[in-house]
Amino acid sequence: NAGVTQTPKFRILKIGQSMTLQCTQDMNHNYMYWYRQDPGMGLKLIYYSVGAGITDKGEVPNGYNVSRSTTEDFPLRLELAAPSQTSVYFCASSYDRSPNYGYTFGSGTRLTVV
Amino acid sequence: GQQVMQIPQYQHVQEGEDFTTYCNSSTTLSNIQWYKQRPGGHPVFLIQLVKSGEVKKQKRLTFQFGEAKKNSSLHITATQTTDVGTYFCALEEYGNKLVFGAGTILRVKS
Repeated sequence: NAGVTQTPKFRILKIGQSMTLQCTQDMNHNYMYWYRQDPGMGLKLIYYSVGAGITDKGEVPNGYNVSRSTTEDFPLRLELAAPSQTSVYFCASSYDRSPNYGYTFGSGTRLTVV
Repeated sequence: GQQVMQIPQYQHVQEGEDFTTYCNSSTTLSNIQWYKQRPGGHPVFLIQLVKSGEVKKQKRLTFQFGEAKKNSSLHITATQTTDVGTYFCALEEYGNKLVFGAGTILRVKS
């Protein structure tokens, strides 16, 4: 099992460019999440999904879009990148109710917008 | 949404000293989770506490859930350099969403 795989690991974008952060999991988890982590800060929820075809906004969704066409994949789209989107992005997944396993996180994508 | 306060923000200890981080909520929690993030790494799940007054141990780590289920603590006995990182508590909101505390950064001097 690879767990949660994120690509790319690093990316530099120019202001106004767009990109898609990829996330895939092979654990057959229904729940998937996108968080961003700014330097020295906690994690803020951007979007989440409770299953294929279902997505919902988290705490900081502005400037982002997601889709969930399959159980495995949950890509995050940045349109018109802005410097405020410079951050580390983590994708995570979980069982519906996971008292003993928690979230499984990917290794993150470090994004810089210049 | 719910919020959780985590203190201290930062702690620097001598190797062998103990370390404790605290999470406090103004509302009663259904459960609380703890994660560790090594420098440059990703959060890794440590444990979930569910019951009032629950105490769980993992080697040198002791996790407690308050009697009123409004606070929790993580205590590390005799810290080692491998304990370095940021420790986050997280509470569950409706829909299996986690809200993370700001984290406590632990540095260990050898």
